[in-house]
Amino acid sequence: GAVVSQHPSRVICKSGTSVKIECRSLDFQATTMFWYRQFPKKSLMLMATSNEGSKATYEQGVEKDKFLINHASLTLSTLTVTSAHPEDSSFYICSARGTDSNQPQHFGDGTRLSIL
Amino acid sequence: AQSVTQLDSQVPVFEEAPVELRCNYSSSVSVYLFWYVQYPNQGLQLLLKYLSGSTLVESINGFEAEFNKSQTSFHLRKPSVHISDTAEYFCAVSDYGSGNTGKLIFGQGTTLQVKP
Repeated sequence: GAVVSQHPSRVICKSGTSVKIECRSLDFQATTMFWYRQFPKKSLMLMATSNEGSKATYEQGVEKDKFLINHASLTLSTLTVTSAHPEDSSFYICSARGTDSNQPQHFGDGTRLSIL
Repeated sequence: AQSVTQLDSQVPVFEEAPVELRCNYSSSVSVYLFWYVQYPNQGLQLLLKYLSGSTLVESINGFEAEFNKSQTSFHLRKPSVHISDTAEYFCAVSDYGSGNTGKLIFGQGTTLQVKP
């Protein structure tokens, strides 16, 4: 089945650092990638939708200057948390979908971000 | 807009007993329906989906879900659970049709706890 690789799986860094998370589709072309944030014991909150070659569409309440998303190729999207603070600590998950918009999304294994 | 309600936050059950995880949705347009499973510190894995056709869909590991349009439900069932089924289960919907975004809207999740 389709595989999505997310890296790193875990990162711990100091407050003020910028952190980049990568999401790769390994065996299919991901026209669209999605970035989610998951708080402990909570559901997934969609942060933004990223289409290859165009600007990401952010959900209401998500700061686009704080969470920079780049989708430069059909197999790679990145999320950069800029000047991270402790409140940005969370579990971030990406998903990817192929060219058919009715295909299901395939999820990465997530990145546990801890800001000290 | 769509929304998803998972009526039970936690479902404790003994091994080999049957289980049902409830999911109701609301939408003004036609939707696709999904169940995802999440194991600790991992991303989401697609368990099963309803796109069209038969309203009863099955997964390879014994789960099934039935789409009930009149009751706007998509409950997940398994006749006999195993310890390894212990996980978080998320019900999700996405819109479809021309111009659809394919965004997934998740329910709050249900923790299935299988006891020996």
